[in-house]
Amino acid sequence: GEDVEQSLFLSVREGDSSVINCTYTDSSSTYLYWYKQEPGAGLQLLTYIFSNMDMKQDQRLTVLLNKKDKHLSLRIADTQTGDSAIYFCAESIRAAGNKLTFGGGTRVLVKP
Amino acid sequence: DSGVTQTPKHLITATGQRVTLRCSPRSGDLSVYWYQQSLDQGLQFLIQYYNGEERAKGNILERFSAQQFPDLHSELNLSSLELGDSALYFCASSVALMSTGQFFGPGTRLTVL
Repeated sequence: GEDVEQSLFLSVREGDSSVINCTYTDSSSTYLYWYKQEPGAGLQLLTYIFSNMDMKQDQRLTVLLNKKDKHLSLRIADTQTGDSAIYFCAESIRAAGNKLTFGGGTRVLVKP
Repeated sequence: DSGVTQTPKHLITATGQRVTLRCSPRSGDLSVYWYQQSLDQGLQFLIQYYNGEERAKGNILERFSAQQFPDLHSELNLSSLELGDSALYFCASSVALMSTGQFFGPGTRLTVL
């Protein structure tokens, strides 16, 4: 079945790198996503990775996928106070339609 | 701004009532999804429509229903409301049935008293 897990909280100093981790159980995941939710706002699509890729870089964001361990991470370089938010990882499985199954979210607090 | 609009932003109602949430997808997007975000259940997929037709169903209660109209906007109807239905309801859209990534609206916060 589909299950996506994330740690609850991450505190990081401004200028440092943040690493947010996610594990998933379904090996047939097609795409894995990272979304950002700021207080009172909707979810903003940050980046995604296809399941046959190991890594994707997009400006300050680096996504690493270890398919063997079913582990996904999001690294944010040079973390800024504006990066404080809740980050959700999500998977979609083509055979199950295009619905997203989300993790519980990681709250990231960036301290000046 | 994702280009997905949802109305109303906030809705306060009483148990037993019925409400309608509205979503307009991004221009050109044919697929609309509804999700519920609550403290105890997290973000859960409810239902997907593509070009007017229901395409996938998730953990949607029988008291809830949705439709997508010819102009592609969608409505989520919630009836016989219970306290536990209080949540944020998000609409998302994508270009095609199996698009990479979905773009979310700002959500409708429903409070059932």
